Amino acid sequence: NAGVTQTPKFQVLKTGQSMTLQCAQDMNHEYMSWYRQDPGMGLRLIHYSVGAGITDQGEVPNGYNVSRSTTEDFPLRLLSAAPSQTSVYFCASSDLQGPGYTFGSGTRLTVV
Amino acid sequence: TQLLEQSPQFLSIQEGENLTVYCNSSSVFSSLQWYRQEPGEGPVLLVTVVTGGEVKKLKRLTFQFGDARKDSSLHITAAQPGDTGLYLCAGDPAFANDYKLSFGAGTTVTVRA
Repeated sequence: NAGVTQTPKFQVLKTGQSMTLQCAQDMNHEYMSWYRQDPGMGLRLIHYSVGAGITDQGEVPNGYNVSRSTTEDFPLRLLSAAPSQTSVYFCASSDLQGPGYTFGSGTRLTVV
Repeated sequence: TQLLEQSPQFLSIQEGENLTVYCNSSSVFSSLQWYRQEPGEGPVLLVTVVTGGEVKKLKRLTFQFGDARKDSSLHITAAQPGDTGLYLCAGDPAFANDYKLSFGAGTTVTVRA
């Protein structure tokens, strides 16, 4: 089925470890983004991309890196995990002209 | 401080009742979207409104975009347990001229059978 695929679904990390959250879409969308969702705070933008080779920071980029080498893939890297990064992470994609985002099913990350 | 304020934060009603969720801002938006999110899943787009004063209906759901494009509402008629979920509004600010959406914190709706 067409859509946004995120892996893994669940992950537990120790403080200081690094990891990559994977995101792939098969809809040929130019725009891709990463959000984190925390209780009572809604969705906060971490990084986004408007095409291959182009990335930019969102609202809460510290501690995260991204790259966009292909249209399909937009991985999110945690450089040195901290307990404050415990959250649910969502990847989303869309056409630049809209009409709205398609979200993945999320990655629940716990940092201990 | 969030650009979009949603109210109420929580809403619990009996099956068959009506409900309204509000999304307000002091900023103007080029468009505004509503999403529904179920536990363990990502948000799913319900509707996009782009014109001030626009009203869109999706079965028992009615969406309205304010005349000044600063606010929106979602009204559900005769709610059913299947309407239970987290409702999120999101908009792209008219001043930003980019593709990023700002999200409200969400309204958790519970419809009791």
